[in-house]
Amino acid sequence: EPEVTQTPSHQVTQMGQEVILRCVPISNHLYFYWYRQILGQKVEFLVSFYNNEISEKSEIFDDQFSVERPDGSNFTLKIRSTKLEDSAMYFCASGREAITDTQYFGPGTRLTVL
Amino acid sequence: AQSVTQLDSHVSVSEGTPVLLRCNYSSSYSPSLFWYVQHPNKGLQLLLKYTSAATLVKGINGFEAEFKKSETSFHLTKPSAHMSDAAEYFCVVTVPLGYMGRRALTFGSGTRLQVQP
Repeated sequence: EPEVTQTPSHQVTQMGQEVILRCVPISNHLYFYWYRQILGQKVEFLVSFYNNEISEKSEIFDDQFSVERPDGSNFTLKIRSTKLEDSAMYFCASGREAITDTQYFGPGTRLTVL
Repeated sequence: AQSVTQLDSHVSVSEGTPVLLRCNYSSSYSPSLFWYVQHPNKGLQLLLKYTSAATLVKGINGFEAEFKKSETSFHLTKPSAHMSDAAEYFCVVTVPLGYMGRRALTFGSGTRLQVQP
């Protein structure tokens, strides 16, 4: 069964450094999402992406964040200058059709900012 | 606006006894509702979803949920708990986002299910 994959599984970085989190969505899916979960807190929506543009973003998704689908298979989340409070589990999700709603989640990347 | 409230942060049951995880939602539009499960150090797995078809929804691993519009509830149940059901469970809602389809998922705060032997 196809599944969403994410790399790396764990990323440690120094404050102020740039990080890129990578996701490979399910191949025939058209809708892509990033969520994050700070330890002990609820899962929060960051951004959704469709037809090569952002379709919705939350207030968390400020100018430090960007997303890209560089090659038709990968979907990346870039944080330009990481802060301590960016430490979290980041989940990528994809969906085939918006109308059917179901989003399939990857296993997550744990980002630790020191 | 859409929101979801999980009424219990922690539920403990004995193996073989019924499970009830409670969820109430708030939505201005016709919602789609989901339950996701997260096992320790794992990603989020879809248990079941409601998208305006049958109000009683059956999911994987013997779980089911009933959509009750009058009560704005979508409680998750299972007749008999198994040790492997121990995990964090999230109730999730989404609503239409115009021509873009549907708004991103809004998660509840989660219910940790503990299953005692």
